[in-house]
Amino acid sequence: DGGITQSPKYLFRKEGQNVTLSCEQNLNHDAMYWYRQDPGQGLRLIYYSQIVNDFQKGDIAEGYSVSREKKESFPLTVTSAQKNPTAFYLCASTPRGRRSGANVLTFGAGSRLTVL
Amino acid sequence: GIQVEQSPPDLILQEGANSTLRCNFSDSVNNLQWFHQNPWGQLINLFYIPSGTKQNGRLSATTVATERYSLLYISSSQTTDSGVYFCAVEREGGGSQGNLIFGKGTKLSVKP
Repeated sequence: DGGITQSPKYLFRKEGQNVTLSCEQNLNHDAMYWYRQDPGQGLRLIYYSQIVNDFQKGDIAEGYSVSREKKESFPLTVTSAQKNPTAFYLCASTPRGRRSGANVLTFGAGSRLTVL
Repeated sequence: GIQVEQSPPDLILQEGANSTLRCNFSDSVNNLQWFHQNPWGQLINLFYIPSGTKQNGRLSATTVATERYSLLYISSSQTTDSGVYFCAVEREGGGSQGNLIFGKGTKLSVKP
């Protein structure tokens, strides 16, 4: 079955460490996204990528970095510069294009990061 | 930027009851989606509905774009409907990038 796989599901990190969250999709989607969710809040966009080797900052990119070397993969690094990294991180993708419904988001199961 | 407000923030229902969730947005949109997040965090798209009405089983949605609101109807609710319902929009003229702005959600609890 096609879908989005995020790993790890749970991650604990000490302050000052960088961590990388994996996101892999086999939907052949062009666009991929990273969102952050805090308790009782909606999702906020961190980074997005419309095409391989290209990505743009979202609303809360500070303290995060991404790469898009392959169409299937969009890893997110939470750096030590992120002041409050404890959150639930969600990866999503869309097929892109201007046809109706082209931008319907499909989400992975999420990664829960806790900083100790 | 565009503002998205959802109401009510919390809703408790008895199994079998009907409910209406509302999403107001502050600007014209070319993309509006409703999502359900289950208690384990998985988000599932329910509707892509920038305008008009759609139905899928016990769920239906209506977006009145000219008045900048959307409604999600849940009929004959079941305990499996529990979770958080999010509305997300993309501002018209936003370049069709799929960059959705999410509301804070409506947390629904359906009691047996």
